[in-house]
Amino acid sequence: EAQLVESGGGLVTPGGSLRLSCVGSGFTFKSYSMNWVRQAPGKGLEWVSSISGSSTYIYYGDSVKGRFTTSRDDAVNSLYLQMDSLRADDTATYYCASNNDFWTEGYMDVWGKGTTVTVSS
Amino acid sequence: QSVLTQPPSVSAAPGQSVTISCSGTNSNIGNNYVSWYQQFPGTAPKLLIYDNYKRPSEIPDRFSGSKSGTSATLGISGLQTGDEADYFCAAWDRTLNPRCVFGGGTRLTVL
Repeated sequence: EAQLVESGGGLVTPGGSLRLSCVGSGFTFKSYSMNWVRQAPGKGLEWVSSISGSSTYIYYGDSVKGRFTTSRDDAVNSLYLQMDSLRADDTATYYCASNNDFWTEGYMDVWGKGTTVTVSS
Repeated sequence: QSVLTQPPSVSAAPGQSVTISCSGTNSNIGNNYVSWYQQFPGTAPKLLIYDNYKRPSEIPDRFSGSKSGTSATLGISGLQTGDEADYFCAAWDRTLNPRCVFGGGTRLTVL
């Protein structure tokens, strides 16, 4: 069974940094593009970033562009989200989700349970 | 303000049917596939419909999807209390830079 597990969330002060990780298992991780999607408390889903297989293409949402960096290490089936210059409105549960194919534009068929990031002083 | 527009809430009685609309533009729904996700409170989203109308094998055929022009619709028939959840539509948007856009979500209440 395909599974994704996020980690790295926590409490951080405004302006600080945090690195989220997501480990995949039960599927050929390197063959699929990956996404980060977040959900602020009581709000809807917001796409954050996508990375294609082989890291050929990486895209970011406007609200995080220039502050967040997505990367992957297929050798250890892992996806990362480096978050810098964090703001209060980055407070959310962050989900990683795999796409159905190698390139970025597909549907998200496997989701992790999420990790919570709280930005507050 | 979400790029895709959904009604905030819909409701119906058990056994009845309901539809949830998702409105977009030519840059997203009009020229790309739509997917739908179901989310129960406190849990991760789950893929419900992909490529406009296709269902993962584990999703019952009470759930259906369709698309016409720049709008998509999720249909749920034979409503059950266990269907009470939030439903989100999504599509890729190709303007300047590709991005995935979601609807604001629709809360389904089964009365």
